Amino acid sequence: AQSVTQPDIHITVSEGASLELRCNYSYGATPYLFWYVQSPGQGLQLLLKYFSGDTLVQGIKGFEAEFKRSQSSFNLRKPSVHWSDAAEYFCAGGFGNEKLTFGTGTRLTIIP
Amino acid sequence: DTAVSQTPKYLVTQMGNDKSIKCEQNLGHDTMYWYKQDSKKFLKIMFSYNNKELIINETVPNRFSPKSPDKAHLNLHINSLELGDSAVYFCASSPGLAGEQYFGPGTRLTVT
Repeated sequence: AQSVTQPDIHITVSEGASLELRCNYSYGATPYLFWYVQSPGQGLQLLLKYFSGDTLVQGIKGFEAEFKRSQSSFNLRKPSVHWSDAAEYFCAGGFGNEKLTFGTGTRLTIIP
Repeated sequence: DTAVSQTPKYLVTQMGNDKSIKCEQNLGHDTMYWYKQDSKKFLKIMFSYNNKELIINETVPNRFSPKSPDKAHLNLHINSLELGDSAVYFCASSPGLAGEQYFGPGTRLTVT
């Protein structure tokens, strides 16, 4: 079955430190992939997307993600986090016209 | 300009009541969705409409009935509300059947 897995439920990093959030997918072929961010009390905001082509994708707010077919991964990275990055992060994948499958989310806490 | 809007933002009601949530998108998208997010932040798709036609109808109690009067609107009516219906409901839209989705701010439904 198609799935998207976020292995980390909760991650804590210091402000200014680098960040990597993990996402693994399980599809029969290369899916299209997304990262969304949800701040408290808000809707989901699209950070970046991958459909094909360049495997390093740049997004908004200084985030990037790298698609690695060999590892079935699409990890989200940021070189230096800000306190405002504290939020819930969701990875999502889809294939063809099928519905998007969301991961269970990773809650990011930033400590001063 | 708000791309995807929902009303109301908060809804508190008693068990057994009937309530509706409205969603509007001004992005010119063809496809709209309803998601339910539970207290653990898990996102589950409920319905999807493409050009006013129902295309995804997940295993949702038939107390939930979506209606799409036009491509820009997708409403959700819930009959005989139960405690377990308490959640945040998100509306989303996308240009077509595949691709990135844009989310509304959510409606927090509390059933007492």
